[in-house]
Amino acid sequence: DGGITQSPKYLFRKEGQNVTLSCEQNLNHDAMYWYRQDPGQGLRLIYYSQIVNDFQKGDIAEGYSVSREKKESFPLTVTSAQKNPTAFYLCASSPRTSGSNEQFFGPGTRLTVL
Amino acid sequence: AQSVTQLGSHVSVSEGALVLLRCNYSSSVPPYLFWYVQYPNQGLQLLLKYTSAATLVKGINGFEAEFKKSETSFHLTKPSAHMSDAAEYFCAVSDMNTGFQKLVFGTGTRLLVSP
Repeated sequence: DGGITQSPKYLFRKEGQNVTLSCEQNLNHDAMYWYRQDPGQGLRLIYYSQIVNDFQKGDIAEGYSVSREKKESFPLTVTSAQKNPTAFYLCASSPRTSGSNEQFFGPGTRLTVL
Repeated sequence: AQSVTQLGSHVSVSEGALVLLRCNYSSSVPPYLFWYVQYPNQGLQLLLKYTSAATLVKGINGFEAEFKKSETSFHLTKPSAHMSDAAEYFCAVSDMNTGFQKLVFGTGTRLLVSP
């Protein structure tokens, strides 16, 4: 059963801590993305990756880091430098970088800073 | 740069009534356009997409959207709302200016369906 999995579903972080959100896909997609969703603001792109060992900053990359060591995995680390990390985080993937391709989304991780 | 505007953060309809969710886009090139649906605390699911093959696009769950170049619009419709349609809907445009597909999303419209 192909798809995208994200874990954990809920995550609580103390101020000053780094946390890592997991994203795994078994769709054999080349491209992967991380978005942040805040109420009333839609989705904003944090980082994206076209291929293994390559990734690029999106619109709001400050305070975040990623890695792409395997095609299937694209973990996101929320660092202590991110001043307002409480949000819903969505991972997505697409087969290739053609403009007509839709992106497939995981179920999301809700991060709350205590 | 490409952008999307969704008019109305909330739309309320009665069950059985017409659903109309508005989306206007700005694009310097012929656009690829998408509608996604999100149920509470879940990811996004593709409803339909426009890729220039046909101006009227049919999607899942009885939804359809019409691409109107003259109006730069891609409004989403459904003839008869069902309670299960209550969700948040996002319109998005594909931006290839960086040489890589980036989806630019609108701020979303929450559809409320009353019995």
